[in-house]
Amino acid sequence: GAVVSQHPSRVICKSGTSVKIECRSLDFQATTMFWYRQFPKQSLMLMATSNEGSKATYEQGVEKDKFLINHASLTLSTLTVTSAHPEDSSFYICSAREDGLAADTQYFGPGTRLTVL
Amino acid sequence: LAKTTQPISMDSYEGQEVNITCSHNNIATNDYITWYQQFPSQGPRFIIQGYKTKVTNEVASLFIPADRKSSTLSLPRVSLSDTAVYYCLVGEKVNNDMRFGAGTRLTVKP
Repeated sequence: GAVVSQHPSRVICKSGTSVKIECRSLDFQATTMFWYRQFPKQSLMLMATSNEGSKATYEQGVEKDKFLINHASLTLSTLTVTSAHPEDSSFYICSAREDGLAADTQYFGPGTRLTVL
Repeated sequence: LAKTTQPISMDSYEGQEVNITCSHNNIATNDYITWYQQFPSQGPRFIIQGYKTKVTNEVASLFIPADRKSSTLSLPRVSLSDTAVYYCLVGEKVNNDMRFGAGTRLTVKP
C-alpha cells in the first residue's frame, strides 16, 4: 500500500515550452500533496504545498506563475513548469500525505527528471 | 519550525550496525519523527516513523528519548545496498511545514 506514482519519469524539452508532471496516490486519498525539487548532491527543496480544492501554497522564492499546481482530486496533483528554461532542469519529486492519520507521513513518488535544452 | 541536524556523512562496513542521530530541538508536541532513505535519481523511501520511545520494524529501529529533542535511526547488519542518503523529517502537520535537512550520506564498504 501507500504507492505514489509520477509521470513522466523523464522529459526533455526545448527552452520556452511547458511541461506537465502528474502525481498520483494510487491506493489512498491525499488532500495534501507536496512538490519538491532536488539538484545534484543536494537535499530536497520544498517548492509548494498542494491542497485539494484550493490554491497551492508556495515557498518563498518559488514563482507561482511559473510553477502552476493543480490538485483537482484527492488522488491527483499536477505541476506545470511554464516557459521552461535550462535553469529549470532538475529532479522534481512529489509526495502525498495519507488522509485520516494522526502522523504526518508522506509517501514519495519516484521523481521526474526534467532537462531543458 | 523543527529544524533538523544530522551528520553529513558516515562510513561503515558490511555486517555492522549503523546508528544515525538527528537533532530536532524545536520539535512540537504533535510532531512525529520520520526517516527516509534515498538512492540516486529516486524518490525518498519511507523507513520508519515514531513519536516517542522505541519503534522497530523489519528494516530498522528508531530510538527517541523522553525529551524528543533527538532521534536515532539504527540499521542492523548493513549491506552494500544500504549505501544511500538518509533523512529525518520532523513535520508540522497543521502548518504543512515539511522541510528536509541536509541528510546523512551513508557509505557501506565491503
